[in-house]
Amino acid sequence: GIQVEQSPPDLILQEGANSTLRCNFSDSVNNLQWFHQNPWGQLINLFYIPSGTKQNGRLSATTVATERYSLLYISSSQTTDSGVYFCAVAKETSGSRLTFGEGTQLTVNP
Amino acid sequence: NAGVMQNPRHLVRRRGQEARLRCSPMKGHSHVYWYRQLPEEGLKFMVYLQKENIIDESGMPKERFSAEFPKEGPSILRIQQVVRGDSAAYFCASSPRNRVGYGYTFGSGTRLTVV
Repeated sequence: GIQVEQSPPDLILQEGANSTLRCNFSDSVNNLQWFHQNPWGQLINLFYIPSGTKQNGRLSATTVATERYSLLYISSSQTTDSGVYFCAVAKETSGSRLTFGEGTQLTVNP
Repeated sequence: NAGVMQNPRHLVRRRGQEARLRCSPMKGHSHVYWYRQLPEEGLKFMVYLQKENIIDESGMPKERFSAEFPKEGPSILRIQQVVRGDSAAYFCASSPRNRVGYGYTFGSGTRLTVV
């Protein structure tokens, strides 16, 4: 099956800093989503971005489908950004199954 | 427009008991997916259902686990004779169609603790 690798596994920032999270995947995909799992365990959908660039406030994401990677940018980080960020993909021939990476644990300190 | 609703949020069961987890998809969505998140791990696909049909159950453990999505009512994930290793967060997602290329919306999850 498709492999999804996220880096870094852990990231500690001071409030106000910027960061880039990376997601590499092993095959062509027709669906790529970024999720934030907050400290209470809720899974929040950040972006649906199989290709191109999107921005939502301090967050933006870019997927280069031909090179099989996606980047999530967090600018001016806040303590509420803490949690785990997951990348998940679906390959066209695998139906609707999403394959998740292992996540990046982000801690933003005040 | 309520999102994907899961209940209960927390469930405690003793070893050997049954656990029933419920998922109500978003309005207008007829496709439901269950995922399991073991402690300190990512989410793993379990099963994909449409109304009254199991489409893909390749991620389901072979024994004790079953899922259904009846014509009326929520989808149910049932775990019989629970063991400590079943302790995990179980997430449900829904979509309006089975078309790869369409984003998913997840519920808040049910955290099962087996004591």
